[in-house]
Amino acid sequence: GAVVSQHPSRVICKSGTSVKIECRSLDFQATTMFWYRQFPKQSLMLMATSNEGSKATYEQGVEKDKFLINHASLTLSTLTVTSAHPEDSSFYICSAGYSTAEETQYFGPGTRLLVL
Amino acid sequence: SQQGEEDPQALSIQEGENATMNCSYKTSINNLQWYRQNSGRGLVHLILIRSNEREKHSGRLRVTLDTSKKSSSLLITASRAADTASYFCATGSSGAGSYQLTFGKGTKLSVIP
Repeated sequence: GAVVSQHPSRVICKSGTSVKIECRSLDFQATTMFWYRQFPKQSLMLMATSNEGSKATYEQGVEKDKFLINHASLTLSTLTVTSAHPEDSSFYICSAGYSTAEETQYFGPGTRLLVL
Repeated sequence: SQQGEEDPQALSIQEGENATMNCSYKTSINNLQWYRQNSGRGLVHLILIRSNEREKHSGRLRVTLDTSKKSSSLLITASRAADTASYFCATGSSGAGSYQLTFGKGTKLSVIP
């Protein structure tokens, strides 16, 4: 149980375009979903926390207008990278928890974004 | 900001040997978790140890926690080639109305067959 999927697994786009990444909890309802960014050989950096039906909470330094997060249902959250630039190239990983108090997070397989 | 700091950054051992990774953190915690990440993949939760626990076992994994030193260690016994991965510690805290994890930089473990 507790499977999280992400789509697409990898995407290549031109600079200036927008890219949407989906995160789905397949066999449970996720009240809370998290979006992380990971640069090569580095750790995961939390970008934002989203609770179903409410606005996402962004970490300091993360532009909310650039990284649009929508958590419209208990099984789906989306991250849209708007007007992507080469410096946005990274590995984006989502995770989900059963509840706001859930201590363990279940991670998706990640999405590799390359902006040319 | 980074909370956990793993040590060593990279570790290479022979199959069958034990692997020990350490993690230090700075603030008070409710729990500390260890995750594993295969190259280019998502993370898999390995084990959670609470602040009032000192040691925990799960299969070939043994985790210790010393809250006075703000440190934890992950021991993998009788390592296998399939254990090759990056291992991250993460500390949990409440924030933004939900439970958040802060990850360390990770230890890259290579187990040589």
